[in-house]
Amino acid sequence: QSALTQPASVSGSPGQSITISCTGTSSDVGTYNVVSWYQQHSDKAPKLMIYEASKRPSGVSSRFSGSKSGNTASLTISGLQAEDEADYYCCSYAGSSTFVFGTGTKVTVL
Amino acid sequence: EVQLVESGGGLVKPGGSLRLSCAASGFIFSNTWMIWVRQAPGKGLEWVAHIETKTNGGTTSYAAPVKGRFTISRDDSKNTLYLQMNSLDTEDTGVYHCAAGMGDSWGQGTLVTVSS
Repeated sequence: QSALTQPASVSGSPGQSITISCTGTSSDVGTYNVVSWYQQHSDKAPKLMIYEASKRPSGVSSRFSGSKSGNTASLTISGLQAEDEADYYCCSYAGSSTFVFGTGTKVTVL
Repeated sequence: EVQLVESGGGLVKPGGSLRLSCAASGFIFSNTWMIWVRQAPGKGLEWVAHIETKTNGGTTSYAAPVKGRFTISRDDSKNTLYLQMNSLDTEDTGVYHCAAGMGDSWGQGTLVTVSS
């Protein structure tokens, strides 16, 4: 099972919007709506930001939104803030009770 | 408050074994499927193993690199998740996190170092 493909880095100025892509295949992202996004600050545990491709857990800012089209899922951060600077990972169900993570994206707030 | 606390990590020689534990509280553990995820130093997250609830058969699944060497299990009476790791290799070095469901909650992780 190959890792889902994410851009290594994405940057933006405070207040801007950025989008992180997560490209898989018809065996994972393309077939299942079980796609999650996680935020990980340096040396911290990951935090769930989006589940089932577009749902936001309670307590997560509405500035975070998710979508999916075909084999690609996306995470958009609107109104970028300094605290959003972190690593972001997508994860998809891949059938037969297996999962696959993305390669990870480092978000930098300029 | 949901809490997941991993333990059991440490330094082990190649070919050795370790058993990790994850103590859960603040939610109905027996009703929740669980996963182990690892992160090698400076690298990304990697799914390791999954275990279903007993109600759903308690089935387990593993990532290809650990299949046949690692065993995930759970003790619902102790609200504890385990990961038995055998035939360890240097490639298994990293921080191991347990997580509830689809990563709704995560532990801080326990460091496993495989080195001679």
